[in-house]
Amino acid sequence: DTEVTQTPKHLVMGMTNKKSLKCEQHMGHRAMYWYKQKAKKPPELMFVYSYEKLSINESVPSRFSPECPNSSLLNLHLHALQPEDSALYLCASSQPGQGSEQYFGPGTRLTVT
Amino acid sequence: AQRVTQPEKLLSVFKGAPVELKCNYSYSGSPELFWYVQYSRQRLQLLLRHISRESIKGFTADLNKGETSFHLKKPFAQEEDSAMYYCALITGGYQKVTFGTGTKLQVIP
Repeated sequence: DTEVTQTPKHLVMGMTNKKSLKCEQHMGHRAMYWYKQKAKKPPELMFVYSYEKLSINESVPSRFSPECPNSSLLNLHLHALQPEDSALYLCASSQPGQGSEQYFGPGTRLTVT
Repeated sequence: AQRVTQPEKLLSVFKGAPVELKCNYSYSGSPELFWYVQYSRQRLQLLLRHISRESIKGFTADLNKGETSFHLKKPFAQEEDSAMYYCALITGGYQKVTFGTGTKLQVIP
Protein backbone atom coordinates (compact mmCIF):
# COMPACT_ATOMS: atom_id res chain seq x y z
CA ASP A 1 0.00 0.00 0.00
CA THR A 2 1.74 3.16 -1.20
CA GLU A 3 -0.99 5.66 -0.52
CA VAL A 4 -1.68 8.23 2.11
CA THR A 5 -5.40 8.46 2.83
CA GLN A 6 -7.24 11.39 4.36
CA THR A 7 -10.75 11.63 5.75
CA PRO A 8 -13.06 13.35 5.31
CA LYS A 9 -12.66 14.68 1.77
CA HIS A 10 -14.76 17.73 2.57
CA LEU A 11 -15.69 19.33 5.86
CA VAL A 12 -17.90 22.30 6.64
CA MET A 13 -17.87 23.52 10.21
CA GLY A 14 -19.05 26.46 12.23
CA MET A 15 -16.72 28.60 14.29
CA THR A 16 -17.87 26.99 17.53
CA ASN A 17 -17.57 23.39 16.35
CA LYS A 18 -14.94 20.81 17.20
CA LYS A 19 -13.90 18.46 14.43
CA SER A 20 -10.95 16.28 13.51
CA LEU A 21 -9.09 15.46 10.31
CA LYS A 22 -7.58 12.04 9.92
CA CYS A 23 -4.57 10.82 7.94
CA GLU A 24 -3.35 7.25 7.56
CA GLN A 25 -0.42 5.51 5.88
CA HIS A 26 0.78 1.92 5.89
CA MET A 27 4.15 2.37 4.23
CA GLY A 28 6.09 2.17 7.49
CA HIS A 29 7.03 5.84 7.30
CA ARG A 30 8.10 7.36 10.60
CA ALA A 31 7.73 11.03 9.64
CA MET A 32 4.32 12.60 9.07
CA TYR A 33 3.38 16.14 8.13
CA TRP A 34 0.43 18.52 8.08
CA TYR A 35 0.29 21.29 5.49
CA LYS A 36 -2.21 24.06 4.82
CA GLN A 37 -2.83 25.12 1.24
CA LYS A 38 -4.88 28.17 0.32
CA ALA A 39 -6.22 28.59 -3.20
CA LYS A 40 -3.52 29.32 -5.79
CA LYS A 41 -0.81 29.18 -3.10
CA PRO A 42 1.84 26.57 -2.28
CA PRO A 43 1.49 24.18 0.64
CA GLU A 44 2.65 25.68 3.94
CA LEU A 45 4.14 23.40 6.56
CA MET A 46 2.23 23.34 9.84
CA PHE A 47 3.48 20.38 11.88
CA VAL A 48 6.00 17.56 11.61
CA TYR A 49 5.94 14.36 13.62
CA SER A 50 9.06 12.23 13.78
CA TYR A 51 8.80 8.79 15.38
CA GLU A 52 5.42 9.81 16.78
CA LYS A 53 6.80 12.89 18.52
CA LEU A 54 6.08 16.46 17.53
CA SER A 55 9.31 17.85 16.14
CA ILE A 56 8.20 20.98 14.28
CA ASN A 57 5.37 23.40 14.99
CA GLU A 58 5.49 26.31 12.58
CA SER A 59 3.91 28.78 14.99
CA VAL A 60 0.46 27.42 14.28
CA PRO A 61 -2.42 28.85 16.39
CA SER A 62 -3.53 26.64 19.25
CA ARG A 63 -6.97 26.17 17.69
CA PHE A 64 -5.15 23.53 15.60
CA SER A 65 -4.03 20.59 17.70
CA PRO A 66 -2.12 17.71 16.11
CA GLU A 67 -1.96 14.19 17.45
CA CYS A 68 0.00 11.12 16.36
CA PRO A 69 -1.49 8.14 18.24
CA ASN A 70 0.69 5.60 16.43
CA SER A 71 3.14 5.34 13.55
CA SER A 72 0.36 4.98 10.95
CA LEU A 73 -2.08 7.64 12.07
CA LEU A 74 -2.03 11.41 12.23
CA ASN A 75 -4.92 13.54 13.41
CA LEU A 76 -5.54 17.26 13.34
CA HIS A 77 -8.07 18.44 15.90
CA LEU A 78 -9.88 21.66 15.09
CA HIS A 79 -11.61 23.94 17.56
CA ALA A 80 -12.95 27.48 17.36
CA LEU A 81 -11.66 28.04 13.85
CA GLN A 82 -11.96 31.27 11.91
CA PRO A 83 -13.25 31.71 8.35
CA GLU A 84 -9.66 32.46 7.22
CA ASP A 85 -8.74 28.90 8.23
CA SER A 86 -10.74 27.62 5.27
CA ALA A 87 -8.24 25.80 3.05
CA LEU A 88 -7.09 22.44 1.75
CA TYR A 89 -5.30 20.51 4.50
CA LEU A 90 -2.72 18.09 3.20
CA CYS A 91 -1.09 15.23 5.02
CA ALA A 92 2.20 13.68 3.93
CA SER A 93 4.55 10.98 5.12
CA SER A 94 8.15 10.01 4.47
CA GLN A 95 10.98 7.88 5.69
CA PRO A 96 13.19 9.87 8.01
CA GLY A 97 16.43 10.60 6.22
CA GLN A 98 18.19 12.77 3.70
CA GLY A 99 16.57 13.01 0.32
CA SER A 100 13.41 11.22 1.38
CA GLU A 101 10.39 11.57 -0.86
CA GLN A 102 7.23 12.84 0.76
CA TYR A 103 4.04 11.03 -0.17
CA PHE A 104 1.00 13.28 -0.11
CA GLY A 105 -2.62 12.53 0.57
CA PRO A 106 -5.43 14.02 -1.51
CA GLY A 107 -6.29 16.55 1.17
CA THR A 108 -9.35 17.58 3.15
CA ARG A 109 -11.17 20.64 1.86
CA LEU A 110 -12.21 22.59 4.97
CA THR A 111 -14.75 25.39 4.96
CA VAL A 112 -15.35 27.38 8.13
CA THR A 113 -18.65 29.25 8.20
CA ALA B 1 15.62 32.19 6.80
CA GLN B 2 15.15 29.88 3.88
CA ARG B 3 13.29 30.94 0.80
CA VAL B 4 12.36 29.49 -2.60
CA THR B 5 11.53 31.69 -5.57
CA GLN B 6 9.79 30.59 -8.75
CA PRO B 7 9.54 33.76 -10.82
CA GLU B 8 6.96 32.57 -13.36
CA LYS B 9 3.39 31.89 -12.27
CA LEU B 10 2.48 30.64 -15.73
CA LEU B 11 4.66 29.30 -18.51
CA SER B 12 3.10 28.52 -21.87
CA VAL B 13 5.07 26.62 -24.49
CA PHE B 14 4.21 24.80 -27.70
CA LYS B 15 4.41 21.04 -27.92
CA GLY B 16 7.92 20.03 -28.92
CA ALA B 17 9.51 23.24 -27.63
CA PRO B 18 12.11 23.23 -24.84
CA VAL B 19 10.95 23.94 -21.32
CA GLU B 20 12.79 25.56 -18.43
CA LEU B 21 11.09 26.17 -15.10
CA LYS B 22 13.18 28.42 -12.90
CA CYS B 23 13.85 27.94 -9.20
CA ASN B 24 16.16 29.96 -7.00
CA TYR B 25 16.70 29.38 -3.33
CA SER B 26 18.11 31.19 -0.35
CA TYR B 27 19.71 29.09 2.38
CA SER B 28 23.01 29.39 4.18
CA GLY B 29 23.53 25.68 4.75
CA SER B 30 23.69 22.65 2.48
CA PRO B 31 20.34 22.45 0.67
CA GLU B 32 18.25 19.51 -0.43
CA LEU B 33 16.12 20.42 -3.40
CA PHE B 34 13.18 18.69 -4.99
CA TRP B 35 10.69 19.25 -7.76
CA TYR B 36 7.11 18.20 -7.03
CA VAL B 37 4.35 18.12 -9.63
CA GLN B 38 0.59 18.21 -9.41
CA TYR B 39 -1.38 17.07 -12.46
CA SER B 40 -5.01 18.06 -12.80
CA ARG B 41 -7.17 16.35 -10.15
CA GLN B 42 -4.23 14.36 -8.81
CA ARG B 43 -2.26 14.61 -5.62
CA LEU B 44 1.11 16.27 -5.26
CA GLN B 45 3.92 13.87 -6.16
CA LEU B 46 7.67 13.86 -6.39
CA LEU B 47 9.20 14.46 -9.81
CA LEU B 48 12.92 14.87 -9.09
CA ARG B 49 15.37 15.20 -6.24
CA HIS B 50 18.80 16.73 -6.67
CA ILE B 51 20.73 14.01 -4.87
CA SER B 52 19.64 11.28 -7.28
CA ARG B 53 20.64 13.17 -10.45
CA GLU B 54 18.10 11.23 -12.45
CA SER B 55 15.92 12.02 -15.44
CA ILE B 56 12.21 11.47 -14.93
CA LYS B 57 9.73 11.77 -17.81
CA GLY B 58 12.49 13.51 -19.75
CA PHE B 59 12.97 16.19 -17.08
CA THR B 60 16.33 16.99 -15.52
CA ALA B 61 17.43 19.49 -12.90
CA ASP B 62 20.92 20.49 -11.86
CA LEU B 63 21.78 22.11 -8.57
CA ASN B 64 23.97 25.16 -9.12
CA LYS B 65 25.23 26.24 -5.73
CA GLY B 66 27.04 29.26 -7.13
CA GLU B 67 23.84 30.67 -8.60
CA THR B 68 21.65 29.08 -5.88
CA SER B 69 19.42 27.64 -8.57
CA PHE B 70 17.72 24.36 -9.34
CA HIS B 71 16.05 24.91 -12.70
CA LEU B 72 13.91 22.14 -14.24
CA LYS B 73 14.46 21.42 -17.92
CA LYS B 74 13.03 19.28 -20.66
CA PRO B 75 14.18 19.43 -24.29
CA PHE B 76 10.80 18.68 -25.92
CA ALA B 77 7.55 19.51 -24.11
CA GLN B 78 4.60 17.12 -24.36
CA GLU B 79 0.93 17.87 -23.72
CA GLU B 80 0.89 15.55 -20.72
CA ASP B 81 3.50 17.76 -19.05
CA SER B 82 0.83 20.39 -18.40
CA ALA B 83 0.64 20.67 -14.61
CA MET B 84 1.61 22.77 -11.60
CA TYR B 85 5.27 22.44 -10.67
CA TYR B 86 6.65 23.27 -7.23
CA CYS B 87 10.28 23.59 -6.28
CA ALA B 88 10.90 22.59 -2.66
CA LEU B 89 13.79 23.19 -0.27
CA ILE B 90 14.26 20.81 2.61
CA THR B 91 16.45 21.56 5.59
CA GLY B 92 16.86 20.16 9.08
CA GLY B 93 17.50 16.74 7.60
CA TYR B 94 14.15 15.84 6.14
CA GLN B 95 11.79 17.91 8.18
CA LYS B 96 11.54 21.59 7.39
CA VAL B 97 10.04 21.94 3.94
CA THR B 98 9.61 25.21 2.08
CA PHE B 99 7.74 25.21 -1.21
CA GLY B 100 8.14 27.81 -3.91
CA THR B 101 5.07 29.61 -5.18
CA GLY B 102 4.70 27.22 -8.10
CA THR B 103 4.72 27.52 -11.88
CA LYS B 104 1.81 26.36 -13.96
CA LEU B 105 3.11 24.82 -17.16
CA GLN B 106 0.74 24.89 -20.10
CA VAL B 107 1.78 22.95 -23.20
CA ILE B 108 -0.09 24.14 -26.27
CA PRO B 109 -0.83 21.45 -28.89
